[in-house]
Formats: sequence, structure tokens, C-alpha cells
Amino acid sequence: AQTVTQSQPEMSVQEAETVTLSCTYDTSENNYYLFWYKQPPSRQMILVIRQEAYKQQNATENRFSVNFQKAAKSFSLKISDSQLGDTAMYFCAFMKHSNSGYALNFGKGTSLLVTP
Amino acid sequence: SQTIHQWPATLVQPVGSPLSLECTVEGTSNPNLYWYRQAAGRGLQLLFYSVGIGQISSEVPQNLSASRPQDRQFILSSKKLLLSDSGFYLCAWSVPSNQPQHFGDGTRLSIL
Repeated sequence: AQTVTQSQPEMSVQEAETVTLSCTYDTSENNYYLFWYKQPPSRQMILVIRQEAYKQQNATENRFSVNFQKAAKSFSLKISDSQLGDTAMYFCAFMKHSNSGYALNFGKGTSLLVTP
Repeated sequence: SQTIHQWPATLVQPVGSPLSLECTVEGTSNPNLYWYRQAAGRGLQLLFYSVGIGQISSEVPQNLSASRPQDRQFILSSKKLLLSDSGFYLCAWSVPSNQPQHFGDGTRLSIL
């Protein structure tokens, strides 16, 4: 079974600064996908960014980027120019191909607080 | 565009009562559908997923069941709720491939 570990339960960053959230995972699969989801106080789960394991290039989405280290099984999220609206729980998730579907395995999350 | 609807948003039920949570998807056909539970302060745990009408896979043994009577409808049920069933329940959908899952707004279930 795949496990996803987020070692930082809580983090804080000042507005306009950069913060990095860590995520490691354990798998014997070669083809898989990694995601970061954001859950603001409204409790909606919002997709932030996605990375395919076969791609060496790190994914970027505006202020959000990842550092994907496949050999180290590490998938960190960098948020640049942090904004107050970035305050949320951030979940790292792993998905592998399966003939029966594509289930996500989530980490326990990192609570990020952006302060003025 | 595709949308996902989940209701009710909040539910308070006594122990031993039945449960029915509904999720529907619009704007797509033959989606994969998922039910997750999020306990307080924890990540999401996959409960059920479905790749087609009448096809349900369960990830963990539990007091709950799921059904998919129509292509874009996914229902989470219980005959008798337990205190441990309290939590935040999220429905999600994806196209039948390696695309990301998109979540509904969730149902907060409290068992008294």
C-alpha cells in the first residue's frame, strides 16, 4: 500500500514571502501521479497542482510550483508571494493506475497560516 | 462545464438512525465516482469508488454502503449509524483516466 507523509502539521508565513510544504511517499510503482489539494475553511477541496511521475520537469501553476524528486520519493510544494487567501489545509495525494479505478491516497495535511 | 452537487451540507442524526447522502454530477458521462471521509484534524480516507452503474468497490470494512443507481448519481447509506460515523463526507468525480478528482462541497455529519 502507498503511504503519504506530511511531516509539518502546521506552518506560518508572512504575506508576500515564500513557503515550502514537504511531502514524501512510499511506493513500488513506477507510473503514478501526485497532487496537492487545498482545503480552505469553507472545507472545499481544491486542486492546486498535479505532477506525472514520468515527467522530469517540475509542474508550475502561477505562484505554486513543486520540487519533484522521484528517486527520493519527495514532492514538496512551494508557494511564492504568499497571499492571505492561501491560508488553508494543504494535502499531498498519491494516485496510481489501477484497473479498478484511480483512488487517491492522502497525507494528513499541513495547516498553513498566512499572516499580514 | 462539469459540476458536482452534494447534499445535505449539514446533518445531525441520532445513533441507530439510517443515513442517505446523495451526490450527483452534471456535464459529463460515465465518470468515476468516489466517497471519502475526513475525520476531525485528519486527511481523507477513501470509502468507496465506482467505475460504472452498479459497480461499487469498498476500500475499508465499515458500517456504510454505497450505491450507483444512475450513471451520475452516487449514494452513501447506512441502516444504523454509529457514533464513529461522525465526520466530514466528500464526494468526488473524475473522468475514467488518470485525471484529477474534483470534489463536492461536503456533508458534515454529526451523530448524537
